[in-house]
Amino acid sequence: DAGVIQSPRHEVTEMGQEVTLRCKPISGHDYLFWYRQTMMRGLELLIYFNNNVPIDDSGMPEDRFSAKMPNASFSTLKIQPSEPRDSAVYFCASSLVRLAGAYNEQFFGPGTRLTVL
Amino acid sequence: SQQGEEDPQALSIQEGENATMNCSYKTSINNLQWYRQNSGRGLVHLILIRSNEREKHSGRLRVTLDTSKKSSSLLITASRAADTASYFCATYRAGYALNFGKGTSLLVTP
Repeated sequence: DAGVIQSPRHEVTEMGQEVTLRCKPISGHDYLFWYRQTMMRGLELLIYFNNNVPIDDSGMPEDRFSAKMPNASFSTLKIQPSEPRDSAVYFCASSLVRLAGAYNEQFFGPGTRLTVL
Repeated sequence: SQQGEEDPQALSIQEGENATMNCSYKTSINNLQWYRQNSGRGLVHLILIRSNEREKHSGRLRVTLDTSKKSSSLLITASRAADTASYFCATYRAGYALNFGKGTSLLVTP
């Protein structure tokens, strides 16, 4: 199993540009999560999906952020326009919840390190 | 919002010593998880302890949970240089998303 795949691994862009981060979850997993990690704020949940449907996007900082999951094997996180304060490592994670109330581990991708100049 | 808070923020020990990290949380939980993050990598799940459990072991890891004090501890015995990483506790927010603390950075020197 290849695990959770994220691309690109590193992204350097200029303020005002559009940034698209990509994630392929583990096959068969029904939950997908986007997190952001910074030194100041630690790991923050941005949004998560269940069976491709967004469930909770309350962590998305602003309207500049949007996320989609068009199918079970692909999700994107888009920032438009990007700002220097968006610089962080963005992680995608997936999980399989076999039974309601069964709390299972999350599998994390390697992350995308975003630098906005 | 952060639910778990780890203590200490940083810990430096020598190989062979034990490392203990603590986690405090604010609201009632069903279970608590510990994750490890090596530098430049994603998080890896280590162990899950349920609210009705007081202690759990996995290899050199020992986790305790005290729901009355809303705290958990992670003990790594006979530490190795390869254990150098950041360690996070995590609790569930609504649904199946996790709240993470800011982590304990562990350095194990040969």
